[in-house]
Amino acid sequence: QVHLVESGGGVVQPGRSLRLSCAASGFTFSTNAMHWVRQAPGKSLEWVAVLSYDEYHEYYADSVKGRFTISRDNSKSTLYLQMNSLRVEDTAVYFCVKDLRDAISWVFDPWGQGTLVIVSS
Amino acid sequence: ENVLTQSPGTLSLSPGERASLSCRASQSVSGGYFAWYQQKPGQAPRLLIYGTSSRATGIPDRFSGSGSGTDFTLTISRLEPEDFAVYYCQQYGSSPLTFGQGTKVEI
Repeated sequence: QVHLVESGGGVVQPGRSLRLSCAASGFTFSTNAMHWVRQAPGKSLEWVAVLSYDEYHEYYADSVKGRFTISRDNSKSTLYLQMNSLRVEDTAVYFCVKDLRDAISWVFDPWGQGTLVIVSS
Repeated sequence: ENVLTQSPGTLSLSPGERASLSCRASQSVSGGYFAWYQQKPGQAPRLLIYGTSSRATGIPDRFSGSGSGTDFTLTISRLEPEDFAVYYCQQYGSSPLTFGQGTKVEI
């Protein structure tokens, strides 16, 4: 059974940095594309970033491009999201999500439980 | 950007009734690249439907998806108590992929 556990969320001041982690188990992490998707309080979902299994393909939402970096350590079955220059509007629950397929299909299944990031002064 | 508009915002129904949730795209969705997710309070979303009409693993057959072009529908044939939740549509036929604002199905 696939298990995705996010960590690293918390309260941070605008302009500061935070790194999220996602520990994966129950599937062959090294052969799967992985995403980060976020949800601001009371709002809908927003895709943030994706990284292919081989790290060759890396894409970002315009809202985070140049500030966030997605990475992975296949030897540790762990996905990361380095978030720099954080803004108040980055406040959200961040979900680690496995792609439905090995390659990037843009379908999200399953999802971790999420970690809350609050950007506030 | 392909904006998705879900209707109604809230659907008030009883267990055993049929639910039809609509999602309209501002531009045609190529390839039928359309998905639906369910989210219960305090939980992560769960994939229900992808490719317009394919059910995800473990999803009961009372859930079905249909549509083409700009109009898509999620149908729940007979509501079970555990189906009361928020449902989101998603298109992935064009970049950036986008989600609808959600439809809440309540008792």
